[in-house]
Amino acid sequence: GEDVEQSLFLSVREGDSSVINCTYTDSSSTYLYWYKQEPGAGLQLLTYIFSNMDMKQDQRLTVLLNKKDKHLSLRIADTQTGDSAIYFCAETILTGGGNKLTFGTGTQLKVEL
Amino acid sequence: SQTIHQWPATLVQPVGSPLSLECTVEGTSNPNLYWYRQAAGRGLQLLFYSIGIDQISSEVPQNLSASRPQDRQFILSSKKLLLSDSGFYLCAWSPDRLGEKLFFGSGTQLSVL
Repeated sequence: GEDVEQSLFLSVREGDSSVINCTYTDSSSTYLYWYKQEPGAGLQLLTYIFSNMDMKQDQRLTVLLNKKDKHLSLRIADTQTGDSAIYFCAETILTGGGNKLTFGTGTQLKVEL
Repeated sequence: SQTIHQWPATLVQPVGSPLSLECTVEGTSNPNLYWYRQAAGRGLQLLFYSIGIDQISSEVPQNLSASRPQDRQFILSSKKLLLSDSGFYLCAWSPDRLGEKLFFGSGTQLSVL
């Protein structure tokens, strides 16, 4: 995970917007992903963006991609207590054996009332 | 629809004991299968991946091994557990060869004492 970096914690108030940031290193990434992990559970794919896109919106989620700076962000509008979880960004890395995902360390999002 | 089952959910094992974690996928054929480990405070680390029966690739040297005796069954094993094997283990599958969209099981929390 050292090639994909995220801040460890983010705290927001209910109803505010949350922005979770991620930087990656492999410029040949084809897809970039956001996964959500609720306590004691597996990871759930939230959304993904193809590397030739700058933005993708899916209901309350907005993904922004800056390829020049290798920066990916996830914005959650009108954040709710149910959004409290760990959020992982991931990039695909080209290897001799094919494409594999590399995950960041995860950002713990805490939503306060 | 496709589902992934992983068990047990939690496991406490003494140092030096063997390990067997099982993962099965339903509703698809010839999936790519993965074992990830999530250590406390760290991101996800890919341990093994498999593109077919008896085709296993190891990503990092370790005390663990993986096997795929059937198309939709992936097993993570150890002959003698170490304290450092403690962590949250996640099985995942992807529907295509490039492994770009992963779907995760619910995870196994392993504590080695």
